[in-house]
Amino acid sequence: GAVVSQHPSRVICKSGTSVKIECRSLDFQATTMFWYRQFPKQSLMLMATSNEGSKATYEQGVEKDKFLINHASLTLSTLTVTSAHPEDSSFYICSAASGRYGYTFGSGTRLTVV
Amino acid sequence: EDQVTQSPEALRLQEGESSSLNCSYTVSGLRGLFWYRQDPGKGPEFLFTLYSAGEEKEKERLKATLTKKESFLHITAPKPEDSATYLCAVQAREAGTASKLTFGTGTRLQVTL
Repeated sequence: GAVVSQHPSRVICKSGTSVKIECRSLDFQATTMFWYRQFPKQSLMLMATSNEGSKATYEQGVEKDKFLINHASLTLSTLTVTSAHPEDSSFYICSAASGRYGYTFGSGTRLTVV
Repeated sequence: EDQVTQSPEALRLQEGESSSLNCSYTVSGLRGLFWYRQDPGKGPEFLFTLYSAGEEKEKERLKATLTKKESFLHITAPKPEDSATYLCAVQAREAGTASKLTFGTGTRLQVTL
């Protein structure tokens, strides 16, 4: 089956620094990748949609200069949280879409900003 | 705007006590309705995709059904390992590449011995 690898699973960073999260489809090519944010006991909130080689489309209210998304290839997308603040602490999840496997989710990244 | 509402918010069952989870939706042309299972601190795990009213799918103790307005996830004789949050999501008909999923807030299921 399809596997999406997301790293790191947990990261703690200091306020003001940047952190990068990687999302990689291991055995398939993803036409589109999605980035979500999830608060405790809440559902997944879509942050942005990215297609390989083009700029990401951000949902309303999501700061594109703060959450930088790069989709360099059909198997790799990265989310960089720039100048992180404690309110950016959350659970971030990526999803890779393909015609064959539908939507496959990564295992998530718990970001804590101190 | 696409909307997904799940009920109940939380459900506690005893082992073997069957029940159903509800997912009501409004979408501008349904392309697919998805059910996922999410364990704490993990990403969602795919369960089912339903495409048209009347469709049903089964997997072990789970059965998903779909009407034009809602979907049900029936859990028959649940076991403690079925404890998780169950998420429902809809995909609208959109041209072009993969369209986004709109998620409900989930049902937190706890199955006790």
